Amino acid sequence: EVQLLESGGALVQPGGSLRLSCAASGFTFSNYAMSWVRQAPGKGLEWVSSISGGGDSTFYADSLGGRFSISRDNSKNTLHLRMTSLRAGDTALYYCTKSGSVSPRDGFHMWGQGTLVTVSS
Amino acid sequence: QAVVTQEPSLTVSPGGTVTLTCGSSTGDVTSGHSPYWFQQRPGQAPKTLIYDTSKKYSWTPGRFSGSLLGGKATLTLSGAQPEDEALYYCQISYSGARRVFGGGTKLTVL
Repeated sequence: EVQLLESGGALVQPGGSLRLSCAASGFTFSNYAMSWVRQAPGKGLEWVSSISGGGDSTFYADSLGGRFSISRDNSKNTLHLRMTSLRAGDTALYYCTKSGSVSPRDGFHMWGQGTLVTVSS
Repeated sequence: QAVVTQEPSLTVSPGGTVTLTCGSSTGDVTSGHSPYWFQQRPGQAPKTLIYDTSKKYSWTPGRFSGSLLGGKATLTLSGAQPEDEALYYCQISYSGARRVFGGGTKLTVL
C-alpha cells in the first residue's frame, strides 16, 4: 500500500525558513517523480514543485520567486521541500504527491494527508 | 499565467447525471494538456479520479468518466450518489511541468 507521510509543518514568522519532509513507502521510490501541492485555508489547490525520479530534474511554480527548493533522498525514500523567505501567502496545507512515472511532467496520482505551514508574527 | 475555469457550483439529483467542465484561458483543452480530475471531501486530502483525460484508477467508481467536449475537459457523473457530494478540481498541464488547477466545482447531491 502506498503511503505518503508529510511532516515539518509549523508556525513560522515572516521571513523565516522551514523544511518539509515526506516519507514514502509501499513503492519503489526512485521510479517515480514526486511533487508538492499546497492549499491555503478555504482555497483551491496550487502546484508548488516537482522533481524527477532520479532527482536530476526539478520544476517550480513561477509564483514562488525562487524561494523554495525541492529535493529527494532515494536511499531514504524521502522527499523534501526547503522554503525560505516565507510570507503570509505561503500559509497552507502542503501535500506530498506521487506521480505515475519517473517524469516530473507526470501528474498527481496519489496524495498524502498534508502538513500545515502557518506564516504569522 | 494560464487560468483554468470550472463552474463554481452544480447540483444533481440522486441517481441523476451531471457534467463538470474545465476550460483553459489559452484556448481549447486537448489531450496534450493531460487533464486530471480530483475529488476532495471536507476535511480530507484530494483523491485523483481521472488522469490523462479519461483514464481511471482501480478506486475510481465506474459512474465517473472523463472526456473532451467543445474545447473543454469534462467529468461526467452518471447515477449520482450522496457520497459524491464534494469539491471537484480539474488540472491542466502546460509547457515544462507547469500544472494549473481550476478553482473547483462544489457538487451538491440533492
